[in-house]
Amino acid sequence: DAEITQSPRHKITETGRQVTLACHQTWNHNNMFWYRQDLGHGLRLIHYSYGVQDTNKGEVSDGYSVSRSNTEDLPLTLESAASSQTSVYFCASVGPAQETQYFGPGTRLLVL
Amino acid sequence: AQKVTQAQTEISVVEKEDVTLDCVYETRDTTYYLFWYKQPPSGELVFLIRRNSFDEQNEISGRYSWNFQKSTSSFNFTITASQVVDSAVYFCALGTGYALNFGKGTSLLVTP
Repeated sequence: DAEITQSPRHKITETGRQVTLACHQTWNHNNMFWYRQDLGHGLRLIHYSYGVQDTNKGEVSDGYSVSRSNTEDLPLTLESAASSQTSVYFCASVGPAQETQYFGPGTRLLVL
Repeated sequence: AQKVTQAQTEISVVEKEDVTLDCVYETRDTTYYLFWYKQPPSGELVFLIRRNSFDEQNEISGRYSWNFQKSTSSFNFTITASQVVDSAVYFCALGTGYALNFGKGTSLLVTP
């Protein structure tokens, strides 16, 4: 069965370190997204991609970057982790017909 | 600008009561999609329903029903005869492109 996975599921890091969160989907979807979830804010869009080599900034993109070298993967990089980036991160993908947006299981990141 | 408002932050009901979760959205686009997701205590995001802007038919799925009213820009969600397993955070979301704008969520607690 097709799926979307994230790794690691939990991560503790220190302020200033570079961190990369992986997202892999086997739906063959061109459209992939990263959101962060914080208490009182719901989910907010960080970055998104509509295909290989395409990346776009979302609502809360400062301090984050993504790259898209193939259809299946959209890694999210925190260039220099900050305590404000402690959050739960969700990756998602959706096909061309704007059908159900499938979410990964989430990554809990703690920046100390 | 796109915006989703879930005015109810927390709701507490006793099992078997009916409960309605409110969702009000703002968009200038004429084509858009509305979603409800459930996030149980385990943390994953579970898709419940997707509705496009041209389909105002209400929908019923078991104990769940949705009332979409374009005139009031609302997409409310009703759980009939609530159960303890319905305890979760529920998110309403609006999509005008592929990315989603989420409300802040409503935390529902159903007690025995």
